[in-house]
Amino acid sequence: SQQGEEDPQALSIQEGENATMNCSYKTSINNLQWYRQNSGRGLVHLILIRSNEREKHSGRLRVTLDTSKKSSSLLITASRAADTASYFCATDAWNSGGGADRLTFGKGTHLIIQP
Amino acid sequence: DSGVTQTPKHLITATGQRVTLRCSPRSGDLSVYWYQQSLDQGLQFLIQYYNGEERAKGNILERFSAQQFPDLHSELNLSSLELGDSALYFCASSPWAADEKLFFGSGTQLSVL
Repeated sequence: SQQGEEDPQALSIQEGENATMNCSYKTSINNLQWYRQNSGRGLVHLILIRSNEREKHSGRLRVTLDTSKKSSSLLITASRAADTASYFCATDAWNSGGGADRLTFGKGTHLIIQP
Repeated sequence: DSGVTQTPKHLITATGQRVTLRCSPRSGDLSVYWYQQSLDQGLQFLIQYYNGEERAKGNILERFSAQQFPDLHSELNLSSLELGDSALYFCASSPWAADEKLFFGSGTQLSVL
């Protein structure tokens, strides 16, 4: 079952513009992560935000987290053609023994940057 | 390069057959995760192993099984294959748990004909 749901499913913008993707989830989390996947390849970790954080930056990436709304957003500023990829949010689920035993991924936002 | 190695990269087989997918985690990582990615279901968590022991099970079919060996490499066995098993299978690893970032392999593309 999907915990996170990304929105929009697909996004096409011009190079240089900013791209914003949203993620909503259903249950309480400890951390939320964003990953990127180039076509048919493995996922690459972009950024992790903890449940007690509201905003985090990494280079051209800005992630926000609103635990009251169970939502997160990923902003990519000054987009480049190389940013074309699918972006996934992932939430953790803790087991009774402590520690997260899995990440649950949404279906992703497919981002296309037009040169 | 994530440091996670998956073999083979591509696998084409027929319905009813059995295949084994192999994964070598990043050096020092104790946790291995298997995921299945298909167009309709997205990325589905199958199973996690930690230091040789099964730790969590997700949407893994009874026809599928996995194990993690003492050298920490892992194998995912898929048997009685059906057309619907065609998908991209990923292995990922982390030092301990899934609240850390996962390092993904490049996947095995399985085609069942």
